[in-house]
Amino acid sequence: DAMVIQNPRYQVTQFGKPVTLSCSQTLNHNVMYWYQQKSSQAPKLLFHYYDKDFNNEADTPDNFQSRRPNTSFCFLDIRSPGLGDAAMYLCATSRDQGATFFGQGTRLTVV
Amino acid sequence: AQSVTQPDIHITVSEGASLELRCNYSYGATPYLFWYVQSPGQGLQLLLKYFSGDTLVQGIKGFEAEFKRSQSSFNLRKPSVHWSDAAEYFCAVGPMEYGNKLVFGAGTILRVKS
Repeated sequence: DAMVIQNPRYQVTQFGKPVTLSCSQTLNHNVMYWYQQKSSQAPKLLFHYYDKDFNNEADTPDNFQSRRPNTSFCFLDIRSPGLGDAAMYLCATSRDQGATFFGQGTRLTVV
Repeated sequence: AQSVTQPDIHITVSEGASLELRCNYSYGATPYLFWYVQSPGQGLQLLLKYFSGDTLVQGIKGFEAEFKRSQSSFNLRKPSVHWSDAAEYFCAVGPMEYGNKLVFGAGTILRVKS
């Protein structure tokens, strides 16, 4: 089945140690998103790629970066994770303004 | 600014009873509207979407939603709830600028009692 796959499902990282989360998709969608979801909260958009164009949300901290080397893959880099960055990170895709499909998420724990 | 309000944080229904989850939105143009379901520790699964046309939308798992422009609402309904429907439900509105950036409501946690 075509889908959005996130790896790993669970990630533990040390305070201040860079970490990368990955996302791949087989839907051939041109838009890829990264959402952050903290406990008991709604998902919040960090940034998205529309084709190769990167679009950062105004309130996304500089600590968060993203790379999209090709249509299928997208990475979320957290340069210096803090305790407040512990959250579920959700990758999603859409074709232009069509329906958005989410991966299973990566649960990030910062110790 | 675009926003979504889900007034009920928690709802408890008996198995077999009907369900309605409320969603109100604020959006400057014709919205795209979505309902997603999330089980604990999982991603979001799309239940249904409204882009245009028929205002009563059918989704997966027996869910439906009705778009009412005059009330700025998009309530989710199910005639008979199953224990497996217990989860958190998010209403979302889009698109925003490029792509389909979504703004989510705060979510409603559904508990099903047997």
